[in-house]
Formats: sequence, structure tokens, C-alpha cells
Amino acid sequence: DAMVIQNPRYQVTQFGKPVTLSCSQTLNHNVMYWYQQKSSQAPKLLFHYYDKDFNNEADTPDNFQSRRPNTSFCFLDIRSPGLGDAAMYLCATSRLEISYNEQFFGPGTRLTVL
Amino acid sequence: AQSVTQPDIHITVSEGASLELRCNYSYGATPYLFWYVQSPGQGLQLLLKYFSGDTLVQGIKGFEAEFKRSQSSFNLRKPSVHWSDAAEYFCAVGASGNKLVFGAGTILRVKS
Repeated sequence: DAMVIQNPRYQVTQFGKPVTLSCSQTLNHNVMYWYQQKSSQAPKLLFHYYDKDFNNEADTPDNFQSRRPNTSFCFLDIRSPGLGDAAMYLCATSRLEISYNEQFFGPGTRLTVL
Repeated sequence: AQSVTQPDIHITVSEGASLELRCNYSYGATPYLFWYVQSPGQGLQLLLKYFSGDTLVQGIKGFEAEFKRSQSSFNLRKPSVHWSDAAEYFCAVGASGNKLVFGAGTILRVKS
């Protein structure tokens, strides 16, 4: 089945220690998104890629970076995680031309910062 | 700018009872509307979507939603709730730049 995969599902890091979260997709979608979701809140868009074009949200901290080396993969890098960065991180994909904004979500990575 | 309001933060229903989750949106043109469900520790799963046409849309797991332009609403319904429906439900509207604007979510509790 075509899907969005996130690894790892659970990640524990130390305060200030860089961490990378991974997302891959077999849907061949041209748009990939990263969201941050804190407990009992709506997902908050951090940035998205349309093909290789990177689009950062205005309020996304500089601490968060992303890479998309090819269509299938997208990475979220947190350069110096703080306690406030503990959250669920969701990856989603979309096919711009036909999707009417419909997005397909992965299972998420739960990040804990010690 | 587009916005979505889900007025109910928590809803508790008895198993077997009917359910309606409210969603109001703000959008100038014909909206693209979605309902997603999220179980604890999981990603978001699409329940149903509205783009155009029939204003009553059917989704997975026995859910349906009705688009009412005059009320700017897209309420989610299910005639008989199962314990496995306990989850958080998000209404969303398509926004410019191929984005989604989410409501704050409604947590559904099902009591046996």
C-alpha cells in the first residue's frame, strides 16, 4: 500500500543535542509538509516543500531546518532542541495538481527532550 | 484569512448514541473541507472530504458530514457511536499555498 512512513516513531534526545527526524513516502506526491503538534492542540505547520522549493512559515524558529534530497524523502532537523520542542512531529504529503489540498499523514514521531 | 472553529473541546456520548461534532469555517469562496481523526499517539486519518457537488458526504467508519453554505458549517455525524470512535477529531479547510487550516479539535469520549 502507498503510504507515508516516519522514523523513528519515538525519539529521545538531550537538551541541545541535534536530532533528525525522517519521513518517506511511496505516493509520489510533490508536496511534503512538516507539522509540530503539542498535546491536545491542532497541528502547526512548520514548513513545506513543493518539489525542491522550500517554504518556511513565518513563525517557525530558526532552530528547525529541513532537507528534501529527493521526491521520496524529507528530513526535519532540530539543531538545538529545547524542552519546549517536545512534541509529536507529523509529516504529510499532497499532490498539488489534483489534491484540492487533501493531505496524507504519517503516524508521527514523538520527540522527548530530557 | 481562512479559519475554522470547533466550538466543543470535549464531547462525551454513550456507546450506541448518535454523535454530531460541530465545525464552522470562514472562507470567501467554495471551500475544500475535511474531517480528520487522530487516535492517541497516531497520525491523522482522513474521514471524509468535501470539494463540490452533493452537500452530504459519506466517509469511512460510518461517518458523514453535511456542508451548509448558509451556515458556514460542516458538521460531522454518526448515527451510532462505538467505543473505538473515542479519539480527537479535527476539521480543516483548504487554504492558499496548498495548506490546511485546522480547527482546535474536539476530543470524543465514549462511555459504556
